[in-house]
Amino acid sequence: GENVEQHPSTLSVQEGDSAVIKCTYSDSASNYFPWYKQELGKGPQLIIDIRSNVGEKKDQRIAVTLNKTAKHFSLHITETQPEDSAVYFCAASMRTGGFKTIFGAGTRLFVKA
Amino acid sequence: EAQVTQNPRYLITVTGKKLTVTCSQNMNHEYMSWYRQDPGLGLRQIYYSMNVEVTDKGDVPEGYKVSRKEKRNFPLILESPSPNQTSLYFCASSFVGHYNEQFFGPGTRLTVL
Repeated sequence: GENVEQHPSTLSVQEGDSAVIKCTYSDSASNYFPWYKQELGKGPQLIIDIRSNVGEKKDQRIAVTLNKTAKHFSLHITETQPEDSAVYFCAASMRTGGFKTIFGAGTRLFVKA
Repeated sequence: EAQVTQNPRYLITVTGKKLTVTCSQNMNHEYMSWYRQDPGLGLRQIYYSMNVEVTDKGDVPEGYKVSRKEKRNFPLILESPSPNQTSLYFCASSFVGHYNEQFFGPGTRLTVL
């Protein structure tokens, strides 16, 4: 079955610097790759997603890239701010009768002011 | 306000005492799902439902039951809880299309003694 690996597990950056989180997946049938942000005491919230027919997508300070050949996808946050501090999850999803979504283990991002 | 609600938010119980965690969404979503979140493991899918009266197992269904009698509700039932079911549980919902952008509830922290 699908397996998603996420690195690093913890990331600490200075305010204003960039942060990059990387994920790999194993099943080439996965065609949807969302990224979720989880703040303390809350449920995950979708921040950006990318579909398998697209290589890159950007939304203000966040961007996601997808390399289908290598089965890699990454989240890039530029000009980080303290409010970006949270746990970030990547996921790989496919439609197989139902929806199969496998999450990475998460990255805890600290942005130091 | 569009949302997914879960009740209770916190629950401490004892081994073997049946419990139900409720989940309700007001977005008319066909798809609903339950996940458990454990440190270092990310979110793992327990059960999901593509529509009323249609449910299927996720990756970790053992010890759990679900039902989908109404579109808006998707309760999670633990018939005989055990300590290894101590976890943080999330309900999520989405439309059924080619991709599933999921909306998550606030979580239920369950402790089984």
